[in-house]
Amino acid sequence: GAVVSQHPSRVICKSGTSVKIECRSLDFQATTMFWYRQFPKQSLMLMATSNEGSKATYEQGVEKDKFLINHASLTLSTLTVTSAHPEDSSFYICSAVLAGGPRETQYFGPGTRLLVL
Amino acid sequence: QKEVEQNSGPLSVPEGAIASLNCTYSDRGSQSFFWYRQYSGKSPELIMFIYSNGDKEDGRFTAQLNKASQYVSLLIRDSQPSDSATYLCAVKGAGSYQLTFGKGTKLSVIP
Repeated sequence: GAVVSQHPSRVICKSGTSVKIECRSLDFQATTMFWYRQFPKQSLMLMATSNEGSKATYEQGVEKDKFLINHASLTLSTLTVTSAHPEDSSFYICSAVLAGGPRETQYFGPGTRLLVL
Repeated sequence: QKEVEQNSGPLSVPEGAIASLNCTYSDRGSQSFFWYRQYSGKSPELIMFIYSNGDKEDGRFTAQLNKASQYVSLLIRDSQPSDSATYLCAVKGAGSYQLTFGKGTKLSVIP
C-alpha cells in the first residue's frame, strides 16, 4: 500500500518550453501532496504544498507563476514548469500524505528527472 | 527557523557491523520523526518513523528518540552493502504535514 507514481520519469526539453509532471497516489487518497526539487549532491528542497481543491502554498523564493501546481483530485497533483530554462534542470519529486495513516506519513514518488537544453 | 542537523559523512562501516546515524533538531514542538533512505538517483524511501521517547525496532533497524536532548538516531545492525545509501532524517511539527529534512548522511558499507 501507499504507492505514489510520477510521470514521466525522465524528460528532456528545449529551453522555453513547458513541461508537465504528474503525481498520483495509486491506492489511497491524498488531500495533501508536496513537490520537492533536488539538485545533485544536495538535500530535498520543498517547493510547494499542494492541497486538493485549493491553491498551492509556495515556499519562499519559488515562483508560483513559473511552477504551476494543480491538485484537481484526491489522487492527482500536477506540476507544470513553464518556460523552462537550463537552470530548472533538476530532480523533481512529489510526495503524498496518507491522511489518518501512521503519523501522517509522507510517501514519495519515484521522481522525475528534467533536463532542459 | 526549524533546523535538522545530520553529519554528512561519509560514514564507512564494514559489512556485518552496526551503523549508527545521528540527527538533532531545533524545534522542541516537533512530534514525529522519520528516517528515509535514498539511493543515488532515486527518491527517498521511508524506513521508519518514531514519535515516543525510547527505541523502536523493525528488523535490522532501530530508531531511538530522546526528546529532552532533541536527538534521534537510527541503528542498522548487520550492515549490508545494499544498505549503502544516503539516510535522511525528517521531523514533523504539530498541525502541519510538512517535514523538515536534514541534509542526509551518506553511509558506505564495505564488503
